[in-house]
Amino acid sequence: NAGVTQTPKFQVLKTGQSMTLQCAQDMNHNSMYWYRQDPGMGLRLIYYSASEGTTDKGEVPNGYNVSRLNKREFSLRLESAAPSQTSVYFCASPPGGTNTGELFFGEGSRLTVL
Amino acid sequence: QQQVKQSPQSLIVQKGGISIINCAYENTAFDYFPWYQQFPGKGPALLIAIRPDVSEKKEGRFTISFNKSAKQFSLHIMDSQPGDSATYFCAASVVGNTPLVFGKGTRLSVIA
Repeated sequence: NAGVTQTPKFQVLKTGQSMTLQCAQDMNHNSMYWYRQDPGMGLRLIYYSASEGTTDKGEVPNGYNVSRLNKREFSLRLESAAPSQTSVYFCASPPGGTNTGELFFGEGSRLTVL
Repeated sequence: QQQVKQSPQSLIVQKGGISIINCAYENTAFDYFPWYQQFPGKGPALLIAIRPDVSEKKEGRFTISFNKSAKQFSLHIMDSQPGDSATYFCAASVVGNTPLVFGKGTRLSVIA
């Protein structure tokens, strides 16, 4: 049950370090999304990509950059990590061949910034 | 500005009881209202969804009730089971136009 694959699953960083979260989907859909989940805050959209070559800011884009490498891959980069970026990050994409509004989520990347 | 407001934040229900989670939205252009279920350590998974042209949708023990005039929708879990213990998120979007926006979540605990 691949669907959306995220790496790494866990990561600990020191303040100021950089890292990239990777996401790949095999559902052949144009759209991909990055959300972060924090206790009591729900899921908040960081960035999304409606199609290959396009990206748009979501609700909480500050401190992040994204790259839509190709149709399958959408990466999220933290250039200079801060403790406020400690969170669980989810990548999502619609199931292939559908435009119902549904999103299929990966299992998450748990990031701690010390 | 929170576009989707969800309540309660946490809920404890006896096994066999009815769990009810409520959401309210502001954007009248929204045309897709899903509920997601999330178990610890996992990503959210679609549970059930409704479009605004119907007032209710039922799938097994799970029912969405939708009130367009009040801009509210709710999730009812009948005969709640311990296996239903999870975090539930409501969400809304304009299909093909805006990404899903989520409520803050409800942590449901079903106790025997």
